[in-house]
Amino acid sequence: GAVVSQHPSWVICKSGTSVKIECRSLDFQATTMFWYRQFPKQSLMLMATSNEGSKATYEQGVEKDKFLINHASLTLSTLTVTSAHPEDSSFYICSAPRRYEQYFGPGTRLTVT
Amino acid sequence: GDSVTQMEGPVTLSEEAFLTINCTYTATGYPSLFWYVQYPGEGLQLLLKATKADDKGSNKGFEATYRKETTSFHLEKGSVQVSDSAVYFCALSGASGIQGAQKLVFGQGTRLTINP
Repeated sequence: GAVVSQHPSWVICKSGTSVKIECRSLDFQATTMFWYRQFPKQSLMLMATSNEGSKATYEQGVEKDKFLINHASLTLSTLTVTSAHPEDSSFYICSAPRRYEQYFGPGTRLTVT
Repeated sequence: GDSVTQMEGPVTLSEEAFLTINCTYTATGYPSLFWYVQYPGEGLQLLLKATKADDKGSNKGFEATYRKETTSFHLEKGSVQVSDSAVYFCALSGASGIQGAQKLVFGQGTRLTINP
């Protein structure tokens, strides 16, 4: 089946630094990818829709200048958390659609100290 | 806006017990409904889906029926196994456009533990 990977799987960074998370579709192309955030014991909240070759579409309440999304190719989308703070600590998950189904990455655990 | 409400967990059952995880939704139009499963250390996987009223999705012994009159999509399994231990998410997507590319709205997830 279709595979979506994320890198890194976990990252610890200091407050004020920036962190980049990659999402790759390994065996298919995706013009659209989605980024979700999952708090402990809570649901996934859609942050933004990543569009290949154009600007991302952000959900209401998500700071686009803080969560920079770049969809540089048909197999890669990146999420950069800029000037990270402890409240940005969370589990970030991406997904990509293929043939009317969404395929999810394994997630990236971000801890900001 | 659209929303999904799942029964709160965690749920702990013995092997071979009957499982029901309730899911209700609010949405405009006619959404597609999904159940996703997240095994420890893995990404979400589609378990089953239904795209219109009265459809029944089924997979790996799990079933769920799209009930428009009660806006529900309850997940059931007749006899659970230890390997079913995971977190289960109910979700919906919008009625228009290519379904796979539609944004998903998730319920809060239900952690299921099956004891031998």
